[in-house]
Amino acid sequence: NAGVTQTPKFRILKIGQSMTLQCAQDMNHNYMYWYRQDPGMGLKLIYYSVGAGITDKGEVPNGYNVSRSTTEDFPLRLELAAPSQTSVYFCAGRQGGRNEQFFGPGTRLTVL
Amino acid sequence: GQQLNQSPQSMFIQEGEDVSMNCTSSSIFNTWLWYKQDPGEGPVLLIALYKAGELTSNGRLTAQFGITRKDSFLNISASIPSDVGIYFCAGRVEVQGAQKLVFGQGTRLTINP
Repeated sequence: NAGVTQTPKFRILKIGQSMTLQCAQDMNHNYMYWYRQDPGMGLKLIYYSVGAGITDKGEVPNGYNVSRSTTEDFPLRLELAAPSQTSVYFCAGRQGGRNEQFFGPGTRLTVL
Repeated sequence: GQQLNQSPQSMFIQEGEDVSMNCTSSSIFNTWLWYKQDPGEGPVLLIALYKAGELTSNGRLTAQFGITRKDSFLNISASIPSDVGIYFCAGRVEVQGAQKLVFGQGTRLTINP
């Protein structure tokens, strides 16, 4: 199993550009999560999904959108990138009935 | 929103020393988790605590779930170079069947050989 994978690893965007951060898992996770981690801070939840077709907002959803058309994939979309979205983004997955969230390696995004 | 205060923010110790860090909250959590993050990687779960007062070990790591359910601590005994990294506490909440984690700010551990 590849686990939780994220692409790209790094990206630089200009203000106003859009992009999609990809997240995929092959561990049969019902639940998937997107977090952002700012320097010197813990992770903050952006969006989460409890299964295919179901998504909900987390703590800091503004400026982001998600979709969950399949169980395996949970892409995060930035429509109009802003400098405040410069951060490291982590995707995580969890199986129903289990407690552990498995994290991907992260995407480091810089918006200039 | 719920917040976790983790301390200390950073630690500089000698190899072989013991380490202690803690996490406090104004809210009650039913589960406390401790994660470690290596540079350029995502967090990895170290220990999960499910009951107030619970003391759990994982090798040289020991963590306790506070009686009030508003705090937790993590101890590392006889530190070694591979213990370097950022340690996060997280409290778990259940919202409409979905598990959400609230993270502390992290404790950055540096070890001098």
